[in-house]
Amino acid sequence: ETGVTQTPRHLVMGMTNKKSLKCEQHLGHNAMYWYKQSAKKPLELMFVYNFKEQTENNSVPSRFSPECPNSSHLFLHLHTLQPEDSALYLCASSGTAGGYSPLHFGNGTRLTVT
Amino acid sequence: GQNIDQPTEMTATEGAIVQINCTYQTSGFNGLFWYQQHAGEAPTFLSYNVLDGLEEKGRFSSFLSRSKGYSYLLLKELQMKDSASYLCAVQDSNYQLIWGAGTKLIIKP
Repeated sequence: ETGVTQTPRHLVMGMTNKKSLKCEQHLGHNAMYWYKQSAKKPLELMFVYNFKEQTENNSVPSRFSPECPNSSHLFLHLHTLQPEDSALYLCASSGTAGGYSPLHFGNGTRLTVT
Repeated sequence: GQNIDQPTEMTATEGAIVQINCTYQTSGFNGLFWYQQHAGEAPTFLSYNVLDGLEEKGRFSSFLSRSKGYSYLLLKELQMKDSASYLCAVQDSNYQLIWGAGTKLIIKP
């Protein structure tokens, strides 16, 4: 398997639920990212990990909690979300954070909070 | 603040040429990226410009003018499969990516 794989593709959860999004990359990259994509809005960077260390937390509410156990895996733990958190959540990886290193994205998880 | 502007939507005809513009105001500049995103799919990297001028890759070309804070993506010999959103992103002085909201391109037969 190659590229960046995200699971699940779709997720519906209530505001009191706890769920996790998973991302795996098979590209040998050292940086991984979580982005939020809402309709007709620019991509919003949420978190960046470079060599397993978190280097960016873009003022994300604490109801989103990232975890990066190694350079190939990234998780986003969700709890007590709000309806406005409904969006497409994209995982990406790159050789390293910063510099000329294009992002490789997964297909995303379409999250609906009810 | 930092800002990227690109048209929300464009329509073009199969076989024609279309130019998608992107203007930016950022704190510094370390490169500009174009990505293509088909509906329901991942964005995929198309091109990178860091110096002024035109970069050509097959049917797609990307142009940059740093003095004008301006780039465009040129798509030639349009095919139906080119219907997608095109995202412009600029790396600022801290190598943070600033994204535009994307241009939805509709190709008609």
